[in-house]
Amino acid sequence: EDKVVQSPLSLVVHEGDTVTLNCSYEVTNFRSLLWYKQEKKAPTFLFMLTSSGIEKKSGRLSSILDKKELFSILNITATQTGDSAIYLCAVSRLQGAQKLVFGQGTRLTINP
Amino acid sequence: DVKVTQSSRYLVKRTGEKVFLECVQDMDHENMFWYRQDPGLGLRLIYFSYDVKMKEKGDIPEGYSVSREKKERFSLILESASTNQTSMYLCASSFRGQGNEKLFFGSGTQLSVL
Repeated sequence: EDKVVQSPLSLVVHEGDTVTLNCSYEVTNFRSLLWYKQEKKAPTFLFMLTSSGIEKKSGRLSSILDKKELFSILNITATQTGDSAIYLCAVSRLQGAQKLVFGQGTRLTINP
Repeated sequence: DVKVTQSSRYLVKRTGEKVFLECVQDMDHENMFWYRQDPGLGLRLIYFSYDVKMKEKGDIPEGYSVSREKKERFSLILESASTNQTSMYLCASSFRGQGNEKLFFGSGTQLSVL
């Protein structure tokens, strides 16, 4: 059975800290891995990763994929209270790529 | 910007009621989805539609049905609501073809069944 596991499930840090969120997967015919940010509304797209070792970066957020070890990390540097959210990891497969398999999500809380 | 609009943000229904959740997207996307989100379980796919009048079961279709009569609108129907269907329901859409795994989500409907 295809599976995506995120860790930790919950994380509380102080503003300015750097955090690393983890996502491991066991999926047949892997195609891509996606990260979403969910505040109190619609999940919004952050990154899509298809190749190992190539870092994707957007401001203070970055992500990388390791297809050999079957995991991805999402890094957030110099965290701000606006980074507080649930971070969702999802994986797509070669067939039926649009039907994503989601992890449980990591709830990140940034305290001032 | 893509906009996916869900008709209600919060909904309270009684056990046994028929419930309609509506979703509209304005980007001419072929694919539309209904997920439910529960703490500790993440998002689980209920139903998926890849074209008008076309649908496919997801991982947890039991107790639900869907309707897609127009391209921009995808409805989720709970024929007889039960308490275990209390959840956050998220609608999403995407293009067909390359990049179709990049979903655009609505803001969700928090449904409580009493």
